[in-house]
Amino acid sequence: QSVLTQTPSVSGAPGQRVTISCTGSSSNIGAGYDVQWYQQLPGTAPKLLIYGNINRPSGVPDRFSGSKSGTSASLAITGLQAEDEADYYCQSYDSSLSGYVFGTGTKVTVL
Amino acid sequence: EVQLAESGGGLVKPGGSLRLSCAASGLTFSSYSMNWVRQAPGKGLEWVSSISSGSSFIHYADSVKGRFTISRDNAKNSLYLQMDSLRAEDTAVYYCATKGRFGTFDAFDMWGQGTMVTVSS
Repeated sequence: QSVLTQTPSVSGAPGQRVTISCTGSSSNIGAGYDVQWYQQLPGTAPKLLIYGNINRPSGVPDRFSGSKSGTSASLAITGLQAEDEADYYCQSYDSSLSGYVFGTGTKVTVL
Repeated sequence: EVQLAESGGGLVKPGGSLRLSCAASGLTFSSYSMNWVRQAPGKGLEWVSSISSGSSFIHYADSVKGRFTISRDNAKNSLYLQMDSLRAEDTAVYYCATKGRFGTFDAFDMWGQGTMVTVSS
């Protein structure tokens, strides 16, 4: 059971904006630990999308943006495209567990 | 081009053992912390274990502590996961992943393609 909770699914039409939330607690996100976001296309390995709450690795489109506030974080996808249809996971560190934790995952569907 | 290639997965009976390997190329392996992350069929991602660049710091998830052992050989650019006393709930795709490309951020920045481990009688 994950300590980071995400909405199971979100959907949007091409070109729309969708947001994915990641809710943690005072032992992980709320403790100041950074949040990362990963994209997992069907049948493939996860890919780092956002690190350090807001930073994009080279090659990640600026349609993807991250934010963090309090015990939660969010990933926004603007100008939704068909190739964005995937599972998205948040990740942080938890001091109570002394280990890394992932969110429950969100499936993004492009209508 | 950076490549991480896992191997060693397969079918094993409950209580059995398996050793996974991850061969790295295209990067200065000894500069990176290495990690194992798993994903049970149809489920989410679960961090399993981490080892620092020089093997000084090793950490495990509670779910595998005492049963799994992570190690690395920087001379061979390889990461290992010795899995003992395997249980049905250990069935998953096991990914190796690097951490350290973006400084001190706790980001798993490069991933292998994964190797499937099935624990069943």
